[in-house]
Amino acid sequence: RKEVEQDPGPFNVPEGATVAFNCTYSNSASQSFFWYRQDCRKEPKLLMSVYSSGNEDGRFTAQLNRASQYISLLIRDSKLSDSATYLCVVSHNQGGKLIFGQGTELSVKP
Amino acid sequence: DAMVIQNPRYQVTQFGKPVTLSCSQTLNHNVMYWYQQKSSQAPKLLFHYYDKDFNNEADTPDNFQSRRPNTSFCFLDIRSPGLGDAAMYLCAAQKGTYNEQFFGPGTRLTVL
Repeated sequence: RKEVEQDPGPFNVPEGATVAFNCTYSNSASQSFFWYRQDCRKEPKLLMSVYSSGNEDGRFTAQLNRASQYISLLIRDSKLSDSATYLCVVSHNQGGKLIFGQGTELSVKP
Repeated sequence: DAMVIQNPRYQVTQFGKPVTLSCSQTLNHNVMYWYQQKSSQAPKLLFHYYDKDFNNEADTPDNFQSRRPNTSFCFLDIRSPGLGDAAMYLCAAQKGTYNEQFFGPGTRLTVL
């Protein structure tokens, strides 16, 4: 079983749709949680960190449930430019090593 | 301005011919990472340096080596590339731990 598992994609949605990504992690020692975005043939870039209290950045909302070991990302009013692969990422106590999920591809259509 | 720079962006090598990929960073961050990412897969950590301390992942093949001569530069050496080593190689820099990792644009390696 992979340590970080995400919804299999791809997600194909129309502009303006709300889309939700789900992620689970198996290591209860995980301390830090992130969503990274990766455009086709580009490097991953941090989208947002995820906190237990939940956090919002414009159209993006991330939530963490430590008890269930579950992380989510909600994108409202999706734009064509949101098309990318979204990577769920966790980090353990042992330094800053990141464990990546396999990613979920999002395609937003006109 | 580029913060993590990787050269070359595209590298073609022959089966079994040693190849070196380069990474430099202008952030002065003390931690640097090398990842391998194959098509439609997650980045896979190969090793990282915390300052000068080298940390190898248990499943990183011996074929992969790394050097970090100073804070700014880090190299990935593949001693005898096989067809299965064709991938995107990503370098990242981080200040301490629990902070954002900044990735370079990657080097796409092709093995003929």
